[in-house]
Amino acid sequence: GDSVTQMEGPVTLSEEAFLTINCTYTATGYPSLFWYVQYPGEGLQLLLKATKADDKGSNKGFEATYRKETTSFHLEKGSVQVSDSAVYFCALSFTNAGKSTFGDGTTLTVKP
Amino acid sequence: GAVVSQHPSRVICKSGTSVKIECRSLDFQATTMFWYRQFPKQSLMLMATSNEGSKATYEQGVEKDKFLINHASLTLSTLTVTSAHPEDSSFYICSARELWGGGTDTQYFGPGTRLTVL
Repeated sequence: GDSVTQMEGPVTLSEEAFLTINCTYTATGYPSLFWYVQYPGEGLQLLLKATKADDKGSNKGFEATYRKETTSFHLEKGSVQVSDSAVYFCALSFTNAGKSTFGDGTTLTVKP
Repeated sequence: GAVVSQHPSRVICKSGTSVKIECRSLDFQATTMFWYRQFPKQSLMLMATSNEGSKATYEQGVEKDKFLINHASLTLSTLTVTSAHPEDSSFYICSARELWGGGTDTQYFGPGTRLTVL
């Protein structure tokens, strides 16, 4: 079946540090890929997405590129802020199914 | 963007009682809604897919008689946890997919409902 593997956390960074959270997937076919963010006590918010190979999703300084050859969708941000502290989930889904398969989540803590 | 609401946001109940959680798409119609369960510090697990006007499709291992799902309209799906027990305590999150997605497969997530069974 489909699966998503995320870099294990937790990740602790200082403010303005560079962030990378690795994500790889296994799927039959070509899914759309997503990054979601979850702040404490809240639901998920879509951070960015990419629907086909070589697409780059970006939002709020975060970026991720859909790499078909390495089946990856790594999340990056050049300079993190304390407000970026949250849990980040990588996910995939197919248009005709809609339901998503999630990675285990990576907790990011940014210290001042 | 599209908004999905859940009610209640938190509920505490006694063991053996039933609890109903509502999921509403506020500014779009959703033929399909999904119910997820999230344990502390863990990922989301899909419980069931809810289709408007038809029976829900449950994932393997999810008791359909315990987790009753009704998708009565294009903007409302409900999850009823029947005869709740402490092990049912969890964070329940719904998501909704737009009626005319135009090929998009983006889900819009609700804020979640924290269920605590005493």
